[in-house]
Amino acid sequence: QKEVEQDPGPLSVPEGAIVSLNCTYSNSAFQYFMWYRQYSRKGPELLMYTYSSGNKEDGRFTAQVDKSSKYISLFIRDSQPSDSATYLCAMSYGGATNKLIFGTGTLLAVQP
Amino acid sequence: NAGVMQNPRHLVRRRGQEARLRCSPMKGHSHVYWYRQLPEEGLKFMVYLQKENIIDESGMPKERFSAEFPKEGPSILRIQQVVRGDSAAYFCASSDPFSRTGTPYEQYFGPGTRLTVT
Repeated sequence: QKEVEQDPGPLSVPEGAIVSLNCTYSNSAFQYFMWYRQYSRKGPELLMYTYSSGNKEDGRFTAQVDKSSKYISLFIRDSQPSDSATYLCAMSYGGATNKLIFGTGTLLAVQP
Repeated sequence: NAGVMQNPRHLVRRRGQEARLRCSPMKGHSHVYWYRQLPEEGLKFMVYLQKENIIDESGMPKERFSAEFPKEGPSILRIQQVVRGDSAAYFCASSDPFSRTGTPYEQYFGPGTRLTVT
């Protein structure tokens, strides 16, 4: 079993739709949770960063962490064609080693 | 504020040659991480370095791969005697352990080096 599971998609939605992206994980020691956006043949871009359980909002993006269920989500409101990319969840134990454990990514296509 | 810089962006090597990948972290960042992204796979951690120190190399293959982050200059990921299975995108990320605006655990990625072994 992988430490972090993410549905690879592809996920296709019409412009303006609300998008829900999710990851599950198996290790309760994860403390820090991130969402990255990666355009084709580019480097990952940090979108959202959360620590422990709860919600965090930034513009059209909302990140949720439910540590009791080992489940994290990213919601995108009013989706735009420019949001079409691969979305990667990532997690870290923190502490002395800060390595990120990534999901495999969900490919999102927002149709105009 | 310049982001993480990596060069070269594309690198072609024949089997058996050496590959050297360079990474300059964001200004003010002193921690560097290397990740590898194989086709159809997610990003995999390789190594975590501070200036002149390797902190965590648990993701590095035991042979042919090495990394350094000298006191002066960029971080270098070195792959000796490359094989076709080394073909991948290699990404560098950096973080600021003393960040006052974010957190010390936020990692910012460079554009990557795409290595092709023929």
